[in-house]
Amino acid sequence: EVQLVESGGGLVQPGGSLRLSCAASGLAFRDDWMHWVRQAPGKGLVWVAHINGDGRTTTYADSVKGRFTVSRDNVKKTLFLQMNSLRGEDTAFYYCARSGYRYASDVWGQGTMVTVSS
Amino acid sequence: QSALTQPASVSGSPGQSITISCTGTSSDVGGYESVSWYQQYPGKAPKLLIYEVNNRPSGVSNRFSGSKSGNTASLTISGLQAEDEADYYCSSYTYHGTRVFGGGTELTVL
Repeated sequence: EVQLVESGGGLVQPGGSLRLSCAASGLAFRDDWMHWVRQAPGKGLVWVAHINGDGRTTTYADSVKGRFTVSRDNVKKTLFLQMNSLRGEDTAFYYCARSGYRYASDVWGQGTMVTVSS
Repeated sequence: QSALTQPASVSGSPGQSITISCTGTSSDVGGYESVSWYQQYPGKAPKLLIYEVNNRPSGVSNRFSGSKSGNTASLTISGLQAEDEADYYCSSYTYHGTRVFGGGTELTVL
């Protein structure tokens, strides 16, 4: 079964850091572009970042550039999102997703909740 | 990176057809054959319905179809069913090498 499972969410104070993980199973992973997408409670989807298969190409939304870093371990089939200098507006469910098609994500995790609050 | 523009809500009766629009610019929707559509139920992860404007992944009902004209893409759901009641999002690749989503449309089946 193709599956993505996120972990690492939780409550963190403003200015703090958190590292999210996304474990993949049932897919090749090393050839896949991977994305992070977030959704604040009751709000819409917002693209956060993506990374190519070998990890050498990364792109970020302006709202997280310089604060978030996406990386991957193809041996462990795991995607990461290092989040620093967290703000209240970063509070959201964070989903990892695979680009099974060139511009679309066909496999999504169940999401992990990040709450930034004092 | 402004969000693509979708209507906040649409509604229709069972059996009818509805269309959800997604408007962007020549730097995203109009510039690439990259529009995708997702369905999301409350508390669940999004599900891919359409990729590259008008292609359905295996397993997605042929009641869902996509199209594009200029800077506006559209998702049409024909033969509306109660189970189609959900939120729908469009997405596009952008000139900056990023992705952008629409604000989402809540579909109500009357």
